[in-house]
Amino acid sequence: ILNVEQSPQSLHVQEGDSTNFTCSFPSSNFYALHWYRWETAKSPEALFVMTLNGDEKKKGRISATLNTKEGYSYLYIKGSQPEDSATYLCAVNAGGTSYGKLTFGQGTILTVHP
Amino acid sequence: DTGVSQNPRHKITKRGQNVTFRCDPISEHNRLYWYRQTLGQGPEFLTYFQNEAQLEKSRLLSDRFSAERPKGSFSTLEIQRTEQGDSAMYLCASSAGQGYGYTFGSGTRLTVV
Repeated sequence: ILNVEQSPQSLHVQEGDSTNFTCSFPSSNFYALHWYRWETAKSPEALFVMTLNGDEKKKGRISATLNTKEGYSYLYIKGSQPEDSATYLCAVNAGGTSYGKLTFGQGTILTVHP
Repeated sequence: DTGVSQNPRHKITKRGQNVTFRCDPISEHNRLYWYRQTLGQGPEFLTYFQNEAQLEKSRLLSDRFSAERPKGSFSTLEIQRTEQGDSAMYLCASSAGQGYGYTFGSGTRLTVV
């Protein structure tokens, strides 16, 4: 059973603060790591898909890094805005016969206060 | 294409009743997934289709759950003899293939009373 852990469970920051979250996963049987943002009353939205050790991806003020050897990924948000408030989900695809199935962490709930 | 569509958005049912949810994926995506999410947890895998073939079903899924994807287009998820523990958000997602992100629907929130 693939175990994906996210920390912290929740986070409160002030507008303008930079913040980061962690996703930990078993380093064996790894194919890809996904990050999603899930705003209340909306669909989860794909942020990044990363496959290679050392991958770094950026989308506006949000960036992510991947270390497959030690089994972790970081998501960074620079200059947080209230509209960044959401649940951030990390998910891992183990490859092989998993058919692209994702195992999700429990999420990090971010609240950005104006 | 307007993305992944799920119906209904909300469903309240009495314990013991059967319910059916529908998912219309992005037409170019041949992979379709169903997940279930409960409060405080991440989405949990239920089942996966590639075109019309159901290739994997979670061991957590009891025999009361069944899913279909006729002709590799829309999919339905049926829960028979619902129980209170079935109350959850049921998410559908489609994907162009392994290594691609999922496109999720808005989900169907099921409440069993």
